[in-house]
Amino acid sequence: GENVEQHPSTLSVQEGDSAVIKCTYSDSASNYFPWYKQELGKGPQLIIDIRSNVGEKKDQRIAVTLNKTAKHFSLHITETQPEDSAVYFCAALISSGSARQLTFGSGTQLTVLP
Amino acid sequence: EAGVAQSPRYKIIEKRQSVAFWCNPISGHATLYWYQQILGQGPKLLIQFQNNGVVDDSQLPKDRFSAERLKGVDSTLKIQPAKLEDSAVYLCASSPFRPQGASGNTIYFGEGSWLTVV
Repeated sequence: GENVEQHPSTLSVQEGDSAVIKCTYSDSASNYFPWYKQELGKGPQLIIDIRSNVGEKKDQRIAVTLNKTAKHFSLHITETQPEDSAVYFCAALISSGSARQLTFGSGTQLTVLP
Repeated sequence: EAGVAQSPRYKIIEKRQSVAFWCNPISGHATLYWYQQILGQGPKLLIQFQNNGVVDDSQLPKDRFSAERLKGVDSTLKIQPAKLEDSAVYLCASSPFRPQGASGNTIYFGEGSWLTVV
């Protein structure tokens, strides 16, 4: 099955600096890569996603890049703010018929220091 | 648009007792998922429904876990009897169905049901 590795497990940055989280996946059949933000006591919230036919996607301060050849994808957050502090999960999805197998990374605890 | 609704939000039970969690997906979403998230880990898929049929339950511990989605909308996840290691957040999620070949489905999660087994 798919295996997703995520690094780093914890990340502290100063407010206004950039944060980068990296993930690798193992199964070339994965074709969709969402990123979720999870705040304490809440469910995962989708913040950005990228499909396998796209190399980069940006939404305001958040961007995601995908390198299919190397099987890795990254989340970039610029101009970080204290409210960006949360756990971030990358995931990779394999579609087979109507089955949707979404495999998550282990998460990155991002702390933005004021 | 209302999100994925789950209840109860919190539950504490003793081992060997039973518990049931309820989920109402986003309106119109044909696909419903149950995930288990143990503290400090990413969510792991337990079961996927397409309308009222099971698509994938390969990761569901069937000796103690069961789930149903009788009318293709709401779903219930049951654990009986519960073990200490079942302490986790149970997340329900839903997505609109796209036909085979389409790349990717956006999956939306509820707030989760937090289970503590003592």
